[in-house]
This record gives sequence, C-alpha cells and structure tokens, in this order.
Amino acid sequence: DSGVTQTPKHLITATGQRVTLRCSPRSGDLSVYWYQQSLDQGLQFLIQYYNGEERAKGNILERFSAQQFPDLHSELNLSSLELGDSALYFCASSVAMGQPQHFGDGTRLSIL
Amino acid sequence: AQSVAQPEDQVNVAEGNPLTVKCTYSVSGNPYLFWYVQYPNRGLQFLLKYITGDNLVKGSYGFEAEFNKSQTSFHLKKPSALVSDSALYFCAVRDGGGTYKYIFGTGTRLKVLA
Repeated sequence: DSGVTQTPKHLITATGQRVTLRCSPRSGDLSVYWYQQSLDQGLQFLIQYYNGEERAKGNILERFSAQQFPDLHSELNLSSLELGDSALYFCASSVAMGQPQHFGDGTRLSIL
Repeated sequence: AQSVAQPEDQVNVAEGNPLTVKCTYSVSGNPYLFWYVQYPNRGLQFLLKYITGDNLVKGSYGFEAEFNKSQTSFHLKKPSALVSDSALYFCAVRDGGGTYKYIFGTGTRLKVLA
C-alpha cells in the first residue's frame, strides 16, 4: 500500500461532461503529481503541486485543471470530455520535490 | 528538448539469468533519474533513483542501475531474474534545468521465463 488514495476507482461518463478526480497524498508528503496513462500515449505528466502551489506543468490540456488544497489533498477537474480522454489517471505524492514518488492505484475514466 | 527513450518494448529473460532494461535520456542540467515498476492494475512503484554521487545505484528487490553521463544512459540491471520480476518498467527523468518537469519513458515489459 503506497499510502496514496485516489477516488473514485472507476468513472464512466459521456462526452461533453465534467468530472472531478480526487487524491489524498501519503501522510507527510507535500508534493502532488497528476499523470495520464493511455495505451497510445504512455504515461504523461500533467501537473505538479507543492504545498498548495503549482510548480510544474506538463502536457495538460486547457480543458483540464487541478488544485491542491490547504489539507494537501488534490483534485483534477476534466471538462468537455472527449472520447480520447479515456485513460487511467494517476496521482502520486512525494515528501519534497525531486524525491521518489508514491503512486495511487489510479482512476480509470471511460468516456462513452 | 527533454526526452527519455526505452528502446525495447519487451525484454525476455530466463529465470536466474541477469537482466538489463535500457534507458537513455536527454535533459538540460543535471538530471534526476528514476526507475519505477508497474504491476497489472496498480500504480507505479519506486525502485531506485540517481541524483548525485556513486554512478552505481542500488534499489529495491535486488535491482541496481548504472548512471553513465557520457552515454546519457541509466540502465536497470539485476544479477539473477525472478519470475515475479515480470512487470512493466518505466525510466523517468526530472529536468535539472529548473522546470521540474517529469518525463517517463514508454515502458519496457519484462518477461521472466521459468
């Protein structure tokens, strides 16, 4: 058990909809990362937060947004969903930037 | 541009034989290098990292990796493979030039044959 909790585990929705994925980092970890894993694009880094502040941005679409709250949990919001957004979304956390990341088991998002 | 390459989609090795999973990278500054393993329907698990220091890094489950600056490589190795090592392995790099972005390789599926 990595100590990182992601909810929900599975999410099925339709095109055009909006969803929110939630992540609780491992106790004591200040940094949170979001990734998208799909068969055709591999594991893509989306965004990183450290103690509530955005610190790095990867290949995150404008339709996607994230934030880290004062209690350090994080949410990834995906809007105007398209079929191509179907993927496994991982959250990871680390005690500090540059340190090893601990991954949750992911949220599988299916767009119908 | 930053990049990480894992040139082999799959590596097959017999149980008890040594294994190598290859990784090369291109990044600005001094890189932070990582190896992770992913089992089916699970998140990635950290194996080892290189930030600075000794070029040979030892990690979890008997794995080690060698940092080679001149060849910009960070190959994962294990002296004696186990069937339970069969999984998907990812090499990752964090840009040392200040962007803090992480890039993962496309993954290498390791199959250890009994």
